[in-house]
Amino acid sequence: DVVMTQSPLSLPVTLGQPASISCRSSQSLVYSDGNTYLNWFQQRPGQSPRRLIYKVSNRDSGVPDRFSGSGSGTDFTLKISRVEAEDVGVYYCMQGTYWPRTFGQGTKLEIK
Amino acid sequence: EVQLVESGGGLVQPGGSLRLSCAASGFTFSNYAMHWVRQAPGKGLEYISAITSNGGSTSYADSVKGRFTISRDNSQNTLSLQLGSLRTEDTAVYYCARGGNYDYWGQGTLVTVSS
Repeated sequence: DVVMTQSPLSLPVTLGQPASISCRSSQSLVYSDGNTYLNWFQQRPGQSPRRLIYKVSNRDSGVPDRFSGSGSGTDFTLKISRVEAEDVGVYYCMQGTYWPRTFGQGTKLEIK
Repeated sequence: EVQLVESGGGLVQPGGSLRLSCAASGFTFSNYAMHWVRQAPGKGLEYISAITSNGGSTSYADSVKGRFTISRDNSQNTLSLQLGSLRTEDTAVYYCARGGNYDYWGQGTLVTVSS
């Protein structure tokens, strides 16, 4: 199985400051169709996960533009330009290239 | 509006069975593969099972293979997961999710396996 490794696992951030989460895969996530199926999800306390980013850098509908994704191959990053209170929760990366689908361990973002 | 609503969770003894359902609305259900993902209390997300749009192909995580069965009824817009030979480590919130990259999730249903 493809192992997804996130860092940091805990991320205290001051309101209005940027935040960055790293996700590394144990093998390249480039699929045979040329796409890279790397997704980012946000799970607020007590809620279901919500997809924020798909195919590395595409924001889902309704996702604020302060969220951005980047990377290629095996190294990926989720960035929040200015953290707001509603961003508190756990963030997961997930690869959709291989079977079985696998998730990172999750990064817990909290307000400092 | 896309909606996925899970049901069927509850308390079951080790070795018991349970059937979960996911009612889909707001999209053409028969056009999408569907997945089940679970989350143990205080833990991360784990892929469990998937089924193709026409139900012709299924897959399972090793942790549930031979014990869980995924199915779908495209005429009723319903996804199901039959859980069998349940173990305490199967205790989790079970989510259904749309497509191979999980663009929509349900609210989840809690399965507790305990004596």
